[in-house]
Amino acid sequence: GQQVMQIPQYQHVQEGEDFTTYCNSSTTLSNIQWYKQRPGGHPVFLIQLVKSGEVKKQKRLTFQFGEAKKNSSLHITATQTTDVGTYFCAEGGFQKLVFGTGTRLLVSP
Amino acid sequence: EAGVTQSPTHLIKTRGQQATLRCSPISGHTSVYWYQQALGLGLQFLLWYDEGEERNRGNFPPRFSGRQFPNYSSELNVNALELEDSALYLCASKTSLLKAFFGQGTRLTVV
Repeated sequence: GQQVMQIPQYQHVQEGEDFTTYCNSSTTLSNIQWYKQRPGGHPVFLIQLVKSGEVKKQKRLTFQFGEAKKNSSLHITATQTTDVGTYFCAEGGFQKLVFGTGTRLLVSP
Repeated sequence: EAGVTQSPTHLIKTRGQQATLRCSPISGHTSVYWYQQALGLGLQFLLWYDEGEERNRGNFPPRFSGRQFPNYSSELNVNALELEDSALYLCASKTSLLKAFFGQGTRLTVV
């Protein structure tokens, strides 16, 4: 079955450092969505990418969809303590909304 | 606009009992998804309901079941509870290929 893996599983950075999480699928993705889950909270939608090679930015966050539509990345520039949480990628298909394994980010002040 | 609501927030059950979790989707959303999130782990897909019917289910035993009502709200039932069923159960609603909205979740503890 379809698997969506994310690396790293966990990263601990100092405030101000950059952070990147990678999402890799065994199959071609129709689209990629990114969600953030704060500790003790629920996943919250960040963005959706649909086109091959698409790049979108939200302030310090840069999202990229691979040319083959099998991978994606989320890059955070100059992390802040408010960036703490787990970041999930997901294929936003209709049938089951497949989530990646998630990357947990810790930011030390 | 009201978001996805789940009840109860917390639920404590003993092994072997049954648990019923409820979810009300955002108005206008006909699809409801259920996920299990064990402590510190990822989101495991449980069930997908759309227009009142079960459309897909994940790799969970039959004691995990549910239904969707005519108003699109949904119930998740877990029978013969086991200790490893302790987790956060999240409900999400969406339309088509758009983003999913999650509820706050039900924290189920089996003792």
